[in-house]
Amino acid sequence: AQSVTQLGSHVSVSEGALVLLRCNYSSSVPPYLFWYVQYPNQGLQLLLKYTTGATLVKGINGFEAEFKKSETSFHLTKPSAHMSDAAEYFCAVSESNRYSSASKIIFGSGTRLSIRP
Amino acid sequence: NAGVTQTPKFQVLKTGQSMTLQCAQDMNHNSMYWYRQDPGMGLRLIYYSASEGTTDKGEVPNGYNVSRLNKREFSLRLESAAPSQTSVYFCASRGPGANVLTFGAGSRLTVL
Repeated sequence: AQSVTQLGSHVSVSEGALVLLRCNYSSSVPPYLFWYVQYPNQGLQLLLKYTTGATLVKGINGFEAEFKKSETSFHLTKPSAHMSDAAEYFCAVSESNRYSSASKIIFGSGTRLSIRP
Repeated sequence: NAGVTQTPKFQVLKTGQSMTLQCAQDMNHNSMYWYRQDPGMGLRLIYYSASEGTTDKGEVPNGYNVSRLNKREFSLRLESAAPSQTSVYFCASRGPGANVLTFGAGSRLTVL
């Protein structure tokens, strides 16, 4: 069964600094990996996803993530933090194949990102 | 284009009462999901439905039942609510090949 571990429930960085949010996964088959963002009192929205192909994935708002199979990781980065990036971030894994959406999608426990002025 | 609509947005129950959370999507998606969100625990999958007429247990199904009424609607029922079910509940749907979840706005449930 698949699982996701997010290291660090709370990360605080200064505005303009590098953002690094860590995600490690466990999956018995090649995974699909996702990062979602949740702003206060809202639902979740997709930041980026990895399904197949290029291992460096670019998302919205300047975020990117790299799939590293050897490390079973999918860390999220952004070169320069902005105040508007303050939110909770969730990593997720799915074991679906491309022909079916019939699968579980499992989320990590989340990382709250705070930005210091 | 409404996407995923959940009702109600807020509900307060007493222990032992029952209620149903409703979810509907207008994107013609096959798969639908129910999650609960609790502080420090992220989103945990309660039940999901790959297609109309099928449902499967997720990580935390105990105390819940679901019904996939048709392709659009997927309801979550609490037969006898407990304080441990106080949470924010999210419904989501997923189309084939998209591999992306579209979430509703959430339903905040408090059980006293």
